[in-house]
Amino acid sequence: SQQGEEDPQALSIQEGENATMNCSYKTSINNLQWYRQNSGRGLVHLILIRSNEREKHSGRLRVTLDTSKKSSSLLITASRAADTASYFCATSGTNDYKLSFGAGTTVTVRA
Amino acid sequence: DAGVIQSPRHEVTEMGQEVTLRCKPISGHNSLFWYRQTMMRGLELLIYFNNNVPIDDSGMPEDRFSAKMPNASFSTLKIQPSEPRDSAVYFCASSRGQGDEKLFFGSGTQLSVL
Repeated sequence: SQQGEEDPQALSIQEGENATMNCSYKTSINNLQWYRQNSGRGLVHLILIRSNEREKHSGRLRVTLDTSKKSSSLLITASRAADTASYFCATSGTNDYKLSFGAGTTVTVRA
Repeated sequence: DAGVIQSPRHEVTEMGQEVTLRCKPISGHNSLFWYRQTMMRGLELLIYFNNNVPIDDSGMPEDRFSAKMPNASFSTLKIQPSEPRDSAVYFCASSRGQGDEKLFFGSGTQLSVL
């Protein structure tokens, strides 16, 4: 079963705009990760944020984590056409080490 | 580093046939995972190995599915007999430590069972 649920399911933006997507989960976590998947390819790890962290940055990516609300957000700033992909959040619970993936947000960046 | 290598890239077979998917994890990684991706069900974890030992196979759909990891550099996922509902993309992933660390995914095997 999927632990994380991404919102929105799909997002279309103009190149240069920011893209924000959210992930909500149900149970306590060890960490939360974001992955990108280009069409027909495997998933690529973007960023990992641990349960005791609130914010992390990596290049044009910014991830926040609010454990009280059981939610996370991924912000992509100054989007590019190459950012067109599906983005997934994945969580690992405190009682096991398995990663459970959400259904993903499909982002389309228009030139 | 070559990354996680999966073969074949595409597999088309007929219902009832045996299918074997192969995976070579990244050297030095201790954990290996098999995931299945479909439009309807998203990404599902099928089985998780740590140090070549199956730790959790609760995601394996039924007895038709089996997975092995005879050594640290090779794993197989076998479906026998295959059914049309097994059609999906099957991903192998590996990680350095426990299962909740950063995963490195292979390019996947697109399986079509006719």
